[in-house]
Amino acid sequence: NAGVMQNPRHLVRRRGQEARLRCSPMKGHSHVYWYRQLPEEGLKFMVYLQKENIIDESGMPKERFSAEFPKEGPSILRIQQVVRGDSAAYFCASSLRGGDLTEAFFGQGTRLTVV
Amino acid sequence: KQEVTQIPAALSVPEGENLVLNCSFTDSAIYNLQWFRQDPGKGLTSLLLIQSSQREQTSGRLNASLDKSSGRSTLYIAASQPGDSATYLCAVRPIGGTSYGKLTFGQGTILTVHP
Repeated sequence: NAGVMQNPRHLVRRRGQEARLRCSPMKGHSHVYWYRQLPEEGLKFMVYLQKENIIDESGMPKERFSAEFPKEGPSILRIQQVVRGDSAAYFCASSLRGGDLTEAFFGQGTRLTVV
Repeated sequence: KQEVTQIPAALSVPEGENLVLNCSFTDSAIYNLQWFRQDPGKGLTSLLLIQSSQREQTSGRLNASLDKSSGRSTLYIAASQPGDSATYLCAVRPIGGTSYGKLTFGQGTILTVHP
């Protein structure tokens, strides 16, 4: 039973390029969450999605960032026109349920470096 | 706004010691609290999940307690081993609307267990 799978593990982009981060949740999980860990900072919530729906995007930067979780396939976090400040580790988590029974399981993360 | 604080920020102990990591949170309206372990450059591993109605959870040498009214949790590690060296993160899940998707993390305690 594979865990949460993220790819790529490491991604290097030049300023102005687009970054696409993928996350496949654990089997049977329909709730996906994205978090960002900036250097020397803690983990910060970005967005919570269920299949085809964005439930809570209160942590997403207003511009350049978007996320989706289509009916088929992985969840995608997309960062357009990347800047050096986007360099961070991006973690995806999934859960079987929402609400008070929610236990989140995290992937290994994608480490984005913007040069 | 929920804030989570972990004390100490770093801890270095000899192998075999029992130790306690502390976590405090400002808003007691939580569904649950989760303890994670993060190894350098890796993802998060869920250690223990305590529901708001529970007082403690145990897994092997780990025991976590929760006092929701005072906004505190402790993680107790018995008979520490060098393999326990990692960053330990505490996170709370809030009650209310769809915000249950949003874990709020502490800054972590960096634990080093030396032989």
